[in-house]
Amino acid sequence: DGGITQSPKYLFRKEGQNVTLSCEQNLNHDAMYWYRQDPGQGLRLIYYSQIVNDFQKGDIAEGYSVSREKKESFPLTVTSAQKNPTAFYLCASNPSGGGNQPQHFGDGTRLSIL
Amino acid sequence: SQQGEEDPQALSIQEGENATMNCSYKTSINNLQWYRQNSGRGLVHLILIRSNEREKHSGRLRVTLDTSKKSSSLLITASRAADTASYFCATGRFNDYKLSFGAGTTVTVRA
Repeated sequence: DGGITQSPKYLFRKEGQNVTLSCEQNLNHDAMYWYRQDPGQGLRLIYYSQIVNDFQKGDIAEGYSVSREKKESFPLTVTSAQKNPTAFYLCASNPSGGGNQPQHFGDGTRLSIL
Repeated sequence: SQQGEEDPQALSIQEGENATMNCSYKTSINNLQWYRQNSGRGLVHLILIRSNEREKHSGRLRVTLDTSKKSSSLLITASRAADTASYFCATGRFNDYKLSFGAGTTVTVRA
């Protein structure tokens, strides 16, 4: 079955540590997205990639970094510069990156501070 | 930036009843989408309605869009316990890659 796989499901970060969240899709989609979800709030866009080796900042990119070396993979690094990283992180994709297409989501990674 | 706002924030209904939730937005849109999120899971796309459409159905779901009022509604008929989830609207604008999500309506269906 095609879909998006996020790992790990739960992740803990120590002070000053960078952590990387994995997102892999086998839907052959060009576009991939990272969102942050805080309790009782909607999704906020962190980074977006429409094509391999290209990505753009979203609304809350500070303290985060991404890479897009392969079509299937879009890892997100939460750096030590992100002072409030505790949240639920969701990865999504759609065929060609338009806002007029549905997005397919993974099941998220919950990040907490130790 | 959050453009959509859902109302109510939370809704509790009896199994078999209908559930209606609303979404308001601020700027012109190309389309509006509704998603469902079960607790601790990712979002699942339910339905997309374009700006030139007024109503759309999918199974027990009915979505309306009123662009003059900048609002949409999602109706779930004959609700089931499995419909317990949070429901989000998301707006897509012309020439924009982004979707803007609202804060969601949490629906609880009591057996």
